[in-house]
Amino acid sequence: NAGVTQTPKFRILKIGQSMTLQCTQDMNHNYMYWYRQDPGMGLKLIYYSVGAGITDKGEVPNGYNVSRSTTEDFPLRLELAAPSQTSVYFCASSGRANYGYTFGSGTRLTVV
Amino acid sequence: EDQVTQSPEALRLQEGESSSLNCSYTVSGLRGLFWYRQDPGKGPEFLFTLYSAGEEKEKERLKATLTKKESFLHITAPKPEDSATYLCAVNNAGNMLTFGGGTRLMVKP
Repeated sequence: NAGVTQTPKFRILKIGQSMTLQCTQDMNHNYMYWYRQDPGMGLKLIYYSVGAGITDKGEVPNGYNVSRSTTEDFPLRLELAAPSQTSVYFCASSGRANYGYTFGSGTRLTVV
Repeated sequence: EDQVTQSPEALRLQEGESSSLNCSYTVSGLRGLFWYRQDPGKGPEFLFTLYSAGEEKEKERLKATLTKKESFLHITAPKPEDSATYLCAVNNAGNMLTFGGGTRLMVKP
């Protein structure tokens, strides 16, 4: 059972470039989330989805976009990368509301 | 606005030296308090959910407790493999968590 899979694991972007962080889960979970983690700052919610076709903004959505066309996949799009988006990005899923999350192993992104 | 504060930021223990990690929270209508463990370079791993004051949960050397204002993660006779960052998070509505900054635990043999 793979759980939550994120790709790529590492990426360096130049300012102004765009990219998509991939996230897929094989647990048939309806709830999926994108977080960013900065040193000493805790995890901040970027976007979340409660099911295919439904997405909503979290605490820090500016500069990002998401889509949820299937239950399994929840890609995160960065448009016009900025140095402030340098962070570690985690995707997570949950089978039911108010249950513990299963996290992926993260994508470390550096914008230079 | 929900707030979660964890203390201490870092904790060094000798193997076998028991201690507690603190998670203080402010939330409108707590629906659940979550503890996660995070190893370097990895995603957080779910440990416990506590739903109401007075509730306790245990897993191996870890025991989590909950009051109306804070939660404690007690570590009994820790081993070096317990070294990790421990994250606390609260859920007030729906299924969105607010995380604290974490406590980095180092257990020396």
